[in-house]
Amino acid sequence: ETGVTQTPRHLVMGMTNKKSLKCEQHLGHNAMYWYKQSAKKPLELMFVYNFKEQTENNSVPSRFSPECPNSSHLFLHLHTLQPEDSALYLCASSQEQGALHTSNQPQHFGDGTRLSIL
Amino acid sequence: TQLLEQSPQFLSIQEGENLTVYCNSSSVFSSLQWYRQEPGEGPVLLVTVVTGGEVKKLKRLTFQFGDARKDSSLHITAAQPGDTGLYLCAGASGDSWGKFQFGAGTQVVVTP
Repeated sequence: ETGVTQTPRHLVMGMTNKKSLKCEQHLGHNAMYWYKQSAKKPLELMFVYNFKEQTENNSVPSRFSPECPNSSHLFLHLHTLQPEDSALYLCASSQEQGALHTSNQPQHFGDGTRLSIL
Repeated sequence: TQLLEQSPQFLSIQEGENLTVYCNSSSVFSSLQWYRQEPGEGPVLLVTVVTGGEVKKLKRLTFQFGDARKDSSLHITAAQPGDTGLYLCAGASGDSWGKFQFGAGTQVVVTP
């Protein structure tokens, strides 16, 4: 139990479907992250939220739309995805000191959602 | 873009043997973290190193941060099957708040 829960664990969807991934953290952290993990590739940071405000959008296509209604919840809305979007999507959270400070804080990851696009 | 290269990509050893995995970059990092990821789970933090030349030990695992803070190594003594997993390094720089650059990982398999 990492304190970060992701649902669903597995998702198969067609390219025309709309679905959402959910992440909830029970650690009282103020920063949350979405990562994409593909086989044999480094984790790709997608989005960063600090105190519910998006501070980073790492050139992610618009077919991925994040939402952070509060510090404990993070969503990733998916629509019109492509086969190359099939991957493990990981959510993480951390307790940060603020925007001006270098981050040395550990990131606590969920177990991910395995997404397959048909 | 700071590129972190991990080597080897894959390592298979017998229980009881020692192993070392490496994380190298041409960039300087303010801190570097090592994670282990097991199948079906997310990465779990093992250690954070912040000082050049720093050595940290976690039971049979020894982590070293290079003097120039550009590289790091993880050494496992007397590996056990429970050490099997994907080992990831992640570096942070002073101008990339909240952004860790991850390596692609080293897959370690320890067979009984």
